[in-house]
Amino acid sequence: DAGVTQSPTHLIKTRGQQVTLRCSPKSGHDTVSWYQQALGQGPQFIFQYYEEEERQRGNFPDRFSGHQFPNYSSELNVNALELDDSALYLCASSLGAGTSRLNEQFFGPGTRLTVL
Amino acid sequence: GNSVTQMEGPVTLSEEAFLTINCTYTATGYPSLFWYVQYPGEGLQLLLKATKADDKGSNKGFEATYRKETTSFHLEKGSVQVSDSAVYFCVSSGSARQLTFGSGTQLTVLP
Repeated sequence: DAGVTQSPTHLIKTRGQQVTLRCSPKSGHDTVSWYQQALGQGPQFIFQYYEEEERQRGNFPDRFSGHQFPNYSSELNVNALELDDSALYLCASSLGAGTSRLNEQFFGPGTRLTVL
Repeated sequence: GNSVTQMEGPVTLSEEAFLTINCTYTATGYPSLFWYVQYPGEGLQLLLKATKADDKGSNKGFEATYRKETTSFHLEKGSVQVSDSAVYFCVSSGSARQLTFGSGTQLTVLP
């Protein structure tokens, strides 16, 4: 059973560019959350997708947007990249955002984004 | 909103020493609490969890008890091993299901 997968592993961009990161959830999971982890810090919640809609959003600007596809995979898009966007971007999948149950979130290995 | 404050590191211990990493939280309502671990070169993994007051989560010799009266969830292990070297995150999750992470504590265990 494949766990959460993310692509690419590493990415280098320049200021002002746009980037798309991809995530495939663990088999059977329907909810995807994205986190930003700056060097030496804990991950910060960006947003969560369930049933192809953004359900929750953290304190991130509109430059950060996402999408969830019918197969539950997800993309994170960042426009007008800034130097401070350099970080490890983590995807986490879980089951049942639409239920009252709290389920464990499984994390992928992350995409390391460097903005020059 | 929710916030988590955990003991700053790095923490360096000798093998078989006792480990405590302090964690306190602030939240609206009663969050679920977790400890996640990030081993070198690996992704975040759930170590243990507790979903209500007085619950004790345990795994791999690690324990943490959900203390509502002190809003704490301290991580403990009686005898650490070199293989426990990693970054440990205290995490809370409210009804919104988003995880709120502490800043992480780097643990190094020396043989």
